Amino acid sequence: GAVVSQHPSWVICKSGTSVKIECRSLDFQATTMFWYRQFPKQSLMLMATSNEGSKATYEQGVEKDKFLINHASLTLSTLTVTSAHPEDSSFYICSTIAMASYGYTFGSGTRLTVV
Amino acid sequence: RKEVEQDPGPFNVPEGATVAFNCTYSNSASQSFFWYRQDCRKEPKLLMSVYSSGNEDGRFTAQLNRASQYISLLIRDSKLSDSATYLCVVNIPGSGTYKYIFGTGTRLKVLA
Repeated sequence: GAVVSQHPSWVICKSGTSVKIECRSLDFQATTMFWYRQFPKQSLMLMATSNEGSKATYEQGVEKDKFLINHASLTLSTLTVTSAHPEDSSFYICSTIAMASYGYTFGSGTRLTVV
Repeated sequence: RKEVEQDPGPFNVPEGATVAFNCTYSNSASQSFFWYRQDCRKEPKLLMSVYSSGNEDGRFTAQLNRASQYISLLIRDSKLSDSATYLCVVNIPGSGTYKYIFGTGTRLKVLA
């Protein structure tokens, strides 16, 4: 089946630093990538939708200058959390649709802890 | 009204029991529906798509009720390994595109 490789799996960083999360589609092209965030005991909340070669669409309440999304190629999308703060600590997951009948394909997620 | 709603549970059931979850959605134009399973600290994994005619996969049955705008998931003969959070996903039409919204998830605990 379609695989999305997400790195890093977990990261601990200091307040004020930036963290980049990568999602790569293996053996297929991902024209659209969805980025979700999940806080403990809550559901996945859609943050933004990125399309290859164009600007990402952000959900209401998500700061586009803080969460930079780049989707420069059909196999790579990145999310950069800039000037991270402890409240940004969360589980970030990327997802794309490889084939409609398979629903979403998810990356393995990145657990970010900002100290 | 939330776009997608689920009862968070937890549903505690004994092994072998039959359990059902519902997920309601607010947008009548939604076309695609899925059930996902998520284990603690792991990414969600597709359990099954939900088709208009309903579909069954082993012990799992998914159904769609468009008139009442909900989907359901039925699990028969529950196993300990079925303990997880079950998320419904519904596509919501937007300006020129769809986006996929997750429910909050229903937590299931199957007890020995």
